[in-house]
Amino acid sequence: AQTVTQSQPEMSVQEAETVTLSCTYDTSENNYYLFWYKQPPSRQMILVIRQEAYKQQNATENRFSVNFQKAAKSFSLKISDSQLGDTAMYFCALRTSGAGSYQLTFGKGTKLSVIP
Amino acid sequence: DAGVIQSPRHEVTEMGQEVTLRCKPISGHDYLFWYRQTMMRGLELLIYFNNNVPIDDSGMPEDRFSAKMPNASFSTLKIQPSEPRDSAVYFCASSSAGTSTDTQYFGPGTRLTVL
Repeated sequence: AQTVTQSQPEMSVQEAETVTLSCTYDTSENNYYLFWYKQPPSRQMILVIRQEAYKQQNATENRFSVNFQKAAKSFSLKISDSQLGDTAMYFCALRTSGAGSYQLTFGKGTKLSVIP
Repeated sequence: DAGVIQSPRHEVTEMGQEVTLRCKPISGHDYLFWYRQTMMRGLELLIYFNNNVPIDDSGMPEDRFSAKMPNASFSTLKIQPSEPRDSAVYFCASSSAGTSTDTQYFGPGTRLTVL
């Protein structure tokens, strides 16, 4: 069984500043995928960024980037130049790549508030 | 492309009534997932389908819950009879095994309130 832990229930950041959200996970698999989803007040779950465990290069998507440390089982999300629209719950999720392993395991989420 | 479509967006019902939630996955996706989100338990997978066949329903809480996928473009999650503790946001998500990461794309959710 896999677990995902987000140790920061709430965070805040000033507009235009940078913030990092933490995520650690545990799995016995060697091949897996990691995701960050954003859930704004509209409650829509929106994919922010994804990382394949076999890739050493950290994924980036515009202002969003990850710091993937496989040995430490850490997968943090960095948001640069924070914008008011980034205010949301952020969920870290893990999916193993074995046959039939299509279940996403989610963390409890981090509530991010961007302050004008 | 249209994303995952769910209906209704909001449902308010009384205890004991039957509730049916609907989902239309993204065209071409062969996996469909039903999740439930509550404050206490977070996001939980209830059941998922592959090519319209239920693969894992171990997350379905009770026999009161049932899910069907009669064709590739439609799925239902039914609760009968409903209870106040079923109040939650129910998400449907779909993915394609043909992609490298099988990313799941979520619908807007149905907020269910059982009085």
